Amino acid sequence: DIVLTQSPGTLSLSPGERATLSCRASQSVSSSYLAWYQQKPGQAPRLLIYGASSRATGIPDRFSGSGSGTDFTLTISRLEPEDFAVYYCQQYGSSPRTFGQGTKVEVK
Amino acid sequence: QVQLVQSGAEVKKPGASVKVSCKASGYTFTGYYMHWVRQSPGQGLEWMGWINPNSGVTDSAQSFQGRVSMTRDTSVSTANMELSGLRSDDTAVYYCARGSAVPTVTKAAFDIWGQGTMVTVSS
Repeated sequence: DIVLTQSPGTLSLSPGERATLSCRASQSVSSSYLAWYQQKPGQAPRLLIYGASSRATGIPDRFSGSGSGTDFTLTISRLEPEDFAVYYCQQYGSSPRTFGQGTKVEVK
Repeated sequence: QVQLVQSGAEVKKPGASVKVSCKASGYTFTGYYMHWVRQSPGQGLEWMGWINPNSGVTDSAQSFQGRVSMTRDTSVSTANMELSGLRSDDTAVYYCARGSAVPTVTKAAFDIWGQGTMVTVSS
């Protein structure tokens, strides 16, 4: 199984700041089948990024994804109040699909 | 609009089974894989398995094999997930989520999610 390790566990930032979230895989993720999801309390996850760097429909351009192989990054260029949430990475190139443990972005 | 609507919350006793349903609308149900993901209270996301609604073929995570059954009823565009031999650590929110198109050689992330079904296992 591909293990995804996200860092940091918690990111404390202020609105307007830049957020950089990391996702490291235990082995190469095939064809960059790496996604990022946002989850707010009491809600289902929402797809933000797929294919490591493509934004899903309706996702603002302040969200961007990069990386390949085993190292991936989600960047939020300027945090808006609605961006404070938990973010998960997921690899969907091999079975079992696996998720990282999440990074919580909280208000500083 | 494209959406997945799941059945309501359940409370079960240890050893029992639970069946969660997921009704699709706004797209061709048999045209996309359906995945199941669960989230224990305060924890992360755990992938359980998928079903091809067109063929009925399934695949599941090793940790659930022998306990999980995924089925579909194409007449009502509904996918079902049944988990047996429930334990207290099966207490979680269970989600269905749409995956890749059928058939495909290109895999897809989970773009549409159900609202979640809370399953509580308690004696």
